[in-house]
Amino acid sequence: NAGVTQTPKFRVLKTGQSMTLLCAQDMNHEYMYWYRQDPGMGLRLIHYSVGEGTTAKGEVPDGYNVSRLKKQNFLLGLESAAPSQTSVYFCASSYTSGGRTDTQYFGPGTRLTVL
Amino acid sequence: TQLLEQSPQFLSIQEGENLTVYCNSSSVFSSLQWYRQEPGEGPVLLVTVVTGGEVKKLKRLTFQFGDARKDSSLHITAAQPGDTGLYLCAGAGWGKLIFGQGTTLQVKP
Repeated sequence: NAGVTQTPKFRVLKTGQSMTLLCAQDMNHEYMYWYRQDPGMGLRLIHYSVGEGTTAKGEVPDGYNVSRLKKQNFLLGLESAAPSQTSVYFCASSYTSGGRTDTQYFGPGTRLTVL
Repeated sequence: TQLLEQSPQFLSIQEGENLTVYCNSSSVFSSLQWYRQEPGEGPVLLVTVVTGGEVKKLKRLTFQFGDARKDSSLHITAAQPGDTGLYLCAGAGWGKLIFGQGTTLQVKP
């Protein structure tokens, strides 16, 4: 059981470039999430998915797109990277939503730098 | 907008000392979770508190949920260097988790 994996672990982009971050989970979880973590700001939700083929906006969705074509994968895309998107990105999954007692399982993170 | 305020943001103490981290909000949450994150890794769940006034203990860590389910605290007794890390509280609401800013704890040997 690998849990939640993220690819790549590190990436450096130039302003205006695009990229896709891949998240995969092998726990058959319905819900998946993308967060960004910046110093002093905790984790902020970018987008999330409540099931295959569905996505929804989180707290800070601007500049990002997502897709959930397969239950086990959740992709985060940056169409035109900006320096403000320099951050550490975490993917998480849970059996059901972030409800009363559901645990979110996090991947190891992707450190993205936009120059 | 629901917000969770954690305090303090940074804490540096000597091994053996006690400490308390606070997580406060003006909103009511159905439950509140505490996560611990080590450098280079994702957060890992420590505990979930559900009922107002609930107290849970995990070895030297004591978690409390406020009676009104708007606040929580984490108390560590006799801190050890292995407790060093980022502690995050997260409130469950509207199908998502709202995270506090985190408290960075450094325990010096």
